Amino acid sequence: DAGVTQSPTHLIKTRGQQVTLRCSPKSGHDTVSWYQQALGQGPQFIFQYYEEEERQRGNFPDRFSGHQFPNYSSELNVNALLLGDSALYLCASGADHENTEAFFGQGTRLTVV
Amino acid sequence: QKEVEQDPGPLSVPEGAIVSLNCTYSNSAFQYFMWYRQYSRKGPELLMYTYSSGNKEDGRFTAQVDKSSKYISLFIRDSQPSDSATYLCAMSPVGGQGGSEKLVFGKGTKLTVNP
Repeated sequence: DAGVTQSPTHLIKTRGQQVTLRCSPKSGHDTVSWYQQALGQGPQFIFQYYEEEERQRGNFPDRFSGHQFPNYSSELNVNALLLGDSALYLCASGADHENTEAFFGQGTRLTVV
Repeated sequence: QKEVEQDPGPLSVPEGAIVSLNCTYSNSAFQYFMWYRQYSRKGPELLMYTYSSGNKEDGRFTAQVDKSSKYISLFIRDSQPSDSATYLCAMSPVGGQGGSEKLVFGKGTKLTVNP
């Protein structure tokens, strides 16, 4: 079992550009949550997808959007990148209605220049 | 006031020391409390998961929750250099949802255990 996989591992973008990050959940998991972890900070919840719908959303602007595919994998899209969007973006997967924990991927480190 | 407060450290201890890590919180709705360990350039991994007040022990790790004081702790006994990492507390008002609950994290405490 490969666990939660995220791609790419590192990314450098220019202010104003758009970026797409990808996540494949752990086998058997059907929910995907995205977190932003700025340097020296704890992860902050962006949103969660279940059954291809956004189920919960944190305090992030509409520039942050996502998608979940029928195979449960997910994408995080960020438009009009700002320098402050530079962070480690973490994906966590879980199995809804089951007694199990959330598993985190290794993250995608995004640098906006 | 942030929902979850955690002293970022850094904390440096000699090998074999007992380490105490703490978080306070303001949201009385939090019922589920977790400690994650995050090595440099890696994603967080779950160490301990507790519900409501009380203690939970797992090997060298003990988690304590005091809901009346809104205070949680993680103790590491006989600390090892391999314990050097950032430790994040996390909380949720709901749990048992298969890892799909929204987590609120502290800033993390950077721990170094010196040989």
